[in-house]
This record gives sequence, structure tokens and C-alpha cells, in this order.
Amino acid sequence: AQRVTQPEKLLSVFKGAPVELKCNYSYSGSPELFWYVQYSRQRLQLLLRHISRESIKGFTADLNKGETSFHLKKPFAQEEDSAMYYCALKAQGGSEKLVFGKGTKLTVNP
Amino acid sequence: GAGVSQTPSNKVTEKGKYVELRCDPISGHTALYWYRQSLGQGPEFLIYFQGTGAADDSGLPNDRFFAVRPEGSVSTLKIQRTERGDSAVYLCASSSLGAITDTQYFGPGTRLTVL
Repeated sequence: AQRVTQPEKLLSVFKGAPVELKCNYSYSGSPELFWYVQYSRQRLQLLLRHISRESIKGFTADLNKGETSFHLKKPFAQEEDSAMYYCALKAQGGSEKLVFGKGTKLTVNP
Repeated sequence: GAGVSQTPSNKVTEKGKYVELRCDPISGHTALYWYRQSLGQGPEFLIYFQGTGAADDSGLPNDRFFAVRPEGSVSTLKIQRTERGDSAVYLCASSSLGAITDTQYFGPGTRLTVL
């Protein structure tokens, strides 16, 4: 079975501080990992995916297969980063469905 | 261009009633997905279509839930004999499978409340 765990329901940091949103997954095969973000009153949207290995809005995430983790990091948080963040997994070569974690609400304080 | 749209945005119904939720995907997207998001939870997969056929319906919770996509574009999620536990935000997404990017683009959701 596929499972995604985001251990922090809430995370609060000050502007300019580093931020790390944790994501751990459980899947016996080869996964694709994603981070989705939902800003206030907006729809869910893709932030980044591990295959792209790119930085979006200053965020990066590295897939660590040994630790089965895909933590999202940003060195200097901005107030506009405040949002709900969801980690999601898709089985490579299998169903296209996404399995989501419960989400972490990030608040960046001024 | 226009994104994924869903109607209605809100639906209030009584226990035992039948409801239909509609999703209009991004034009040209071959795949369409339904998810359900309960309060405090992440989206939970229900079903996805590739073209007109259901490619994976393993997330449908029981036989009260049914979805169709007869022409490979618009989809309708149908819930019979609604129960209070069906209250949630129902999300639709679409993607272009086989393209360089198969990102799932989400709609705004339909908030279903069963009284």
C-alpha cells in the first residue's frame, strides 16, 4: 500500500528564517513524489516534483530513498509562502492516482 | 486559457437524496480525476478516466458512488442515497497523459453538505 505522512499539522516560522516541511512515504516500488500548495482561497496547484529537480519560488525537495523522505525546504521564508502544503506520491508505471498526505499549514510571521 | 471548472460550487442536500457533481476539464486533457477532501485531511483519490473509460476506480468507497465521462470530456460524479459522512469537498483534476508534462491541474472543488 502507498502511504504519505506529513508529521506536522502546523508550522510557524518568522520571515527570513529557514523552513522545512517534512514528508515521509511508504511504498515498495519506485515512486514519483510531488509537493502541492494551496494558497488562501485558491485551488490546489503543483509546486514541484522530484523528477524535475528544479527550484520553484525558492523551494527545493530531494528524494531520499534510503530514508523514504521528500522534505520541502526553503532557506529564507517569505510571508507569501503562508499556505497549506501537501506531499503526494504516485506509483511509477502504475495508476496515475495521487496519494496525498494530510497536509501542513505553514504560517510565516512578519 | 480556462482551467478546470466544477459546478456547483456548493451543494446542500438532505440525507438519502441523490446528487450529481460536474467537472469540465481543461480542453484537450485526456485524463480526468476525482478526489474527495474531508475536513483536516488531504485529497483522497476516488476514480480516474483515460478518455471515456475508468482506468482506476479503486477509490470509490461503495456502490453509491458512480462516475461517468461519456464523451471523454465532461465528467459527472453521482452519489446515491447520500449520507452525512459524504460531506466533503469533491475535487476534480485533469491532465494530458503521454505529454512531456502530465501535471494534474485541479478545479476549485464542490463543497457537498449532507444534512
